[in-house]
Amino acid sequence: NAGVTQTPKFRILKIGQSMTLQCTQDMNHNYMYWYRQDPGMGLKLIYYSVGAGITDKGEVPNGYNVSRSTTEDFPLRLELAAPSQTSVYFCASSYSASGSYEQYFGPGTRLTVT
Amino acid sequence: DAKTTQPTSMDCAEGRAANLPCNHSTISGNEYVYWYRQIHSQGPQYIIHGLKNNETNEMASLIITEDRKSSTLILPHATLRDTAVYYCIVRVADNAGNMLTFGGGTRLMVKP
Repeated sequence: NAGVTQTPKFRILKIGQSMTLQCTQDMNHNYMYWYRQDPGMGLKLIYYSVGAGITDKGEVPNGYNVSRSTTEDFPLRLELAAPSQTSVYFCASSYSASGSYEQYFGPGTRLTVT
Repeated sequence: DAKTTQPTSMDCAEGRAANLPCNHSTISGNEYVYWYRQIHSQGPQYIIHGLKNNETNEMASLIITEDRKSSTLILPHATLRDTAVYYCIVRVADNAGNMLTFGGGTRLMVKP
């Protein structure tokens, strides 16, 4: 299993540009999550999904959109990028039937908005 | 979710046990204690979790006090590769998405 994969690894955006961060998991997990981590800080939840076709907001959803058309993929869309969105973005997944709900994280996407 | 308090940083000698404390005095009866770590520039990694009883796996042991107001993560033989930020998270394990709230964590430095 590759686990959770994210692309791209790095990206520089200009203010006002848009982009999609890709996330794929091959563990057949039903739950998926997007977090952001600002320098020196903990992670904050942006959006999550409990299954294909179902998404919900986390702590910091403004400026982002998500979709979950398949179990494997959970892309994060940034519209009108702003410097405040400079961060490292982590995707994660978990399996509700495991009982423990431990989350498995991808390697992250480092985004700079200038 | 209950709030947790961890020391900002700790040092440990290579080969010795690393004991990382966490206070969670407002924990509820249905909340679990989870530990994750984040090695520099990588995504967080699940370590262990527990409800009441002490737990052990191939990575670590988790000791939870009888009143559940605090816990200790033990890395029995720390290596240089265990240098990371360790997060103690208290969370209900349910079907509502199980969001994790990461605080500041403890920065563990394992020294040769």
